[in-house]
Amino acid sequence: KNQVEQSPQSLIILEGKNCTLQCNYTVSPFSNLRWYKQDTGRGPVSLTIMTFSENTKSNGRYTATLDADTKQSSLHITASQLSDSASYICVVADFGNEKLTFGTGTRLTIIP
Amino acid sequence: DGGITQSPKYLFRKEGQNVTLSCEQNLNHDAMYWYRQDPGQGLRLIYYSQIVNDFQKGDIAEGYSVSREKKESFPLTVTSAQKNPTAFYLCASSIQGGASYEQYFGPGTRLTVT
Repeated sequence: KNQVEQSPQSLIILEGKNCTLQCNYTVSPFSNLRWYKQDTGRGPVSLTIMTFSENTKSNGRYTATLDADTKQSSLHITASQLSDSASYICVVADFGNEKLTFGTGTRLTIIP
Repeated sequence: DGGITQSPKYLFRKEGQNVTLSCEQNLNHDAMYWYRQDPGQGLRLIYYSQIVNDFQKGDIAEGYSVSREKKESFPLTVTSAQKNPTAFYLCASSIQGGASYEQYFGPGTRLTVT
């Protein structure tokens, strides 16, 4: 069964600090991996999408990495801001079934 | 102003009543999707449509129905047969169907059934 597991479930950090969120998956065969940001009570917004051949991808202060061999991805946030407080969801697409498997998210809180 | 709109943002219904959630997009996307989000769980696919007048069941279609009469619109009806309908419902669209294409999400509708 395809699964996406994220850690930690929740994280609290001080404004200005960096943090890294983790995503492990068992989806096979792999097509692509996405990171979404979801503010409370809103729809998810795409941050990055990576295919098998991409090891790293940046979007401003967000940098995602992908290790397709170990089936792991991370999302690194640099110099956090209060507006980064949100849930971050890892999503993996499988090749063939054309389906997405969603992780349960990491709830990030930035405190001043 | 392009994007996906869902209405209403909050919806309250009595148990046993059917309710229809609206989803409209002006992105000229062929594919549209409905997901359900519950606390502590990942998004789960209810129904999807890759083209007008065609749609397929997702992983949790029981108790739900959809229609796709226009490219821009993909309404979801939550019927009285859905055992646990209280949830946050998200509509999404992509330029084409399939997992290779990015999905864009609407703002969601929170449905509460008592």
